[in-house]
Amino acid sequence: SQQGEEDPQALSIQEGENATMNCSYKTSINNLQWYRQNSGRGLVHLILIRSNEREKHSGRLRVTLDTSKKSSSLLITASRAADTASYFCATGGGAQKLVFGQGTRLTINP
Amino acid sequence: NAGVTQTPKFRVLKTGQSMTLLCAQDMNHEYMYWYRQDPGMGLRLIHYSVGEGTTAKGEVPDGYNVSRLKKQNFLLGLESAAPSQTSVYFCASRPPAGSYNEQFFGPGTRLTVL
Repeated sequence: SQQGEEDPQALSIQEGENATMNCSYKTSINNLQWYRQNSGRGLVHLILIRSNEREKHSGRLRVTLDTSKKSSSLLITASRAADTASYFCATGGGAQKLVFGQGTRLTINP
Repeated sequence: NAGVTQTPKFRVLKTGQSMTLLCAQDMNHEYMYWYRQDPGMGLRLIHYSVGEGTTAKGEVPDGYNVSRLKKQNFLLGLESAAPSQTSVYFCASRPPAGSYNEQFFGPGTRLTVL
């Protein structure tokens, strides 16, 4: 079974707008990671937030984590056409494994 | 560095045939993983390895076997392929626990079983 549930499943916005994706999970975690997957490619790591952190920034990315609600959000600001991809959250617990959500398909319209 | 590479990129099998997918990494990573991704789904872990000579089952191990004879290689075998194994297979690797635990992914192998 998959730990992360992502919302929305698909998101379409205009270039320049901000995109927000949400991830909810079920069990305790050590960290939560976000990955991007371009069509037909492997996953690329974007950002990791540890369970004792509440917010983290990397360039145009902002990730928040609320462990009391078992949820995280990924905000991409000033979106670009190149941001069109699927985005996955993944939770890390024991045994060095990650459990992935089903992903959000993001489309940036020019 | 090539990172994580996978061979082959595409393959079509008939039901009952066998094949081996090869994953290689040149980053001296201890941990390696095999996932499958079905349409509209996230990744599901098939098997993983925490070091040379070790393997462990993931979420969906049935119908697959793995071997990690060399640190840089992780092989995924299908002994008798079934249509349900049609999927895209991704390999990943990462450094040992205690370090930044991002996983690095290969480009994937698209497998179709007829």
